Amino acid sequence: DAGVIQSPRHEVTEMGQEVTLRCKPISGHDYLFWYRQTMMRGLELLIYFNNNVPIDDSGMPEDRFSAKMPNASFSTLKIQPSEPRDSAVYFCASSPQTGSNTEAFFGQGTRLTVV
Amino acid sequence: GNSVTQMEGPVTLSEEAFLTINCTYTATGYPSLFWYVQYPGEGLQLLLKATKADDKGSNKGFEATYRKETTSFHLEKGSVQVSDSAVYFCALSDYSFNKFYFGSGTKLNVKP
Repeated sequence: DAGVIQSPRHEVTEMGQEVTLRCKPISGHDYLFWYRQTMMRGLELLIYFNNNVPIDDSGMPEDRFSAKMPNASFSTLKIQPSEPRDSAVYFCASSPQTGSNTEAFFGQGTRLTVV
Repeated sequence: GNSVTQMEGPVTLSEEAFLTINCTYTATGYPSLFWYVQYPGEGLQLLLKATKADDKGSNKGFEATYRKETTSFHLEKGSVQVSDSAVYFCALSDYSFNKFYFGSGTKLNVKP
């Protein structure tokens, strides 16, 4: 398997623009997580899905952020409108099963810069 | 609630020195514990894990033992290499909610 695939790897956009980050989880994984990493706040869980259903979105910072998982092989994280403080590395991760014996598998991340 | 606390970095060592990165956790129930490593410009990769008390996870010369009595999962390596320079994250997963909780990360710099 190719692992968790995120696109784009880098995104530079102007303040106020809409940004869409994409993720393809590992086939067969039931769980999908979106994380944000910054120097100040470290690694933050934004939202996670189980079988395409959002389970916990308490980490989504504002209404400007939204995430969808229309099917088992694709998820998006959208920021509209974007602001400079949204600049961060966004990671998608997937996990294969319920229970705590298995790890989360991470993508390479999308580095977002909002100018 | 669940949380992970790990030592502040950066940690700077000379090659072949002994490494310890401390990690303690708070959890309800019976979590699994993990160490992840992040190399520059990359995502997090699993380094090792332990799923129950007294288990020892090991990989690439790194070890960590799940200590329930001290709620700790310290990462150790007997002789570090320059190639070990990275950021190390301690994490736990909650069986009940299937969430992963990460520490703040510890940056390791190994000098030749």
